[in-house]
Amino acid sequence: NAGVTQTPKFQVLKTGQSMTLQCAQDMNHEYMSWYRQDPGMGLRLIHYSVGAGITDQGEVPNGYNVSRSTTEDFPLRLLSAAPSQTSVYFCASRPDTRGEAFFGQGTRLTVV
Amino acid sequence: KQEVTQIPAALSVPEGENLVLNCSFTDSAIYNLQWFRQDPGKGLTSLLLIQSSQREQTSGRLNASLDKSSGRSTLYIAASQPGDSATYLCAVDRGANNLFFGTGTRLTVIP
Repeated sequence: NAGVTQTPKFQVLKTGQSMTLQCAQDMNHEYMSWYRQDPGMGLRLIHYSVGAGITDQGEVPNGYNVSRSTTEDFPLRLLSAAPSQTSVYFCASRPDTRGEAFFGQGTRLTVV
Repeated sequence: KQEVTQIPAALSVPEGENLVLNCSFTDSAIYNLQWFRQDPGKGLTSLLLIQSSQREQTSGRLNASLDKSSGRSTLYIAASQPGDSATYLCAVDRGANNLFFGTGTRLTVIP
């Protein structure tokens, strides 16, 4: 079982560039989320989805877009990268709103 | 807003010792609480999930308790091993698909 797979594992961007972080899960989970982890802070929710075609904002959504066209995939788009978006990004999935959350291995993003 | 605190931030113990990690949260209206392990440069691995109606959960050498009324959870690790060295995170679920995380306790088990 692959679980939650994130690509790429590492990425360096220049300020103003755009990119997409990929997330895929093979557990047929309805709920998927994106978090960012910064030093000295707990993980914070960026965007989430409760099923294909349904997304909503989390705590820190500015500068990020998401879409959910299939149950399996939940990509995160950075529209115009800024140094403040330097962070480690984690994708998570869970079967329902009270179920156990499973996380990917993370994408370490540096914006210079 | 839900605040989650984990104390201590770092802990070193000799191999074989039993230990307790603490997690406290400010709003007791939670659905569940989940403990994770994070190795350096890696993702989060789920250890235990406690629903709001439960008092504790056990998995092997791990036991997690939940006291909603006091806003506390503990993770008990029995007979610690060097392989237990990692950062342990607790996360509180208040619905709306948002887990509120503490900043973690970094555990080092000394052989």
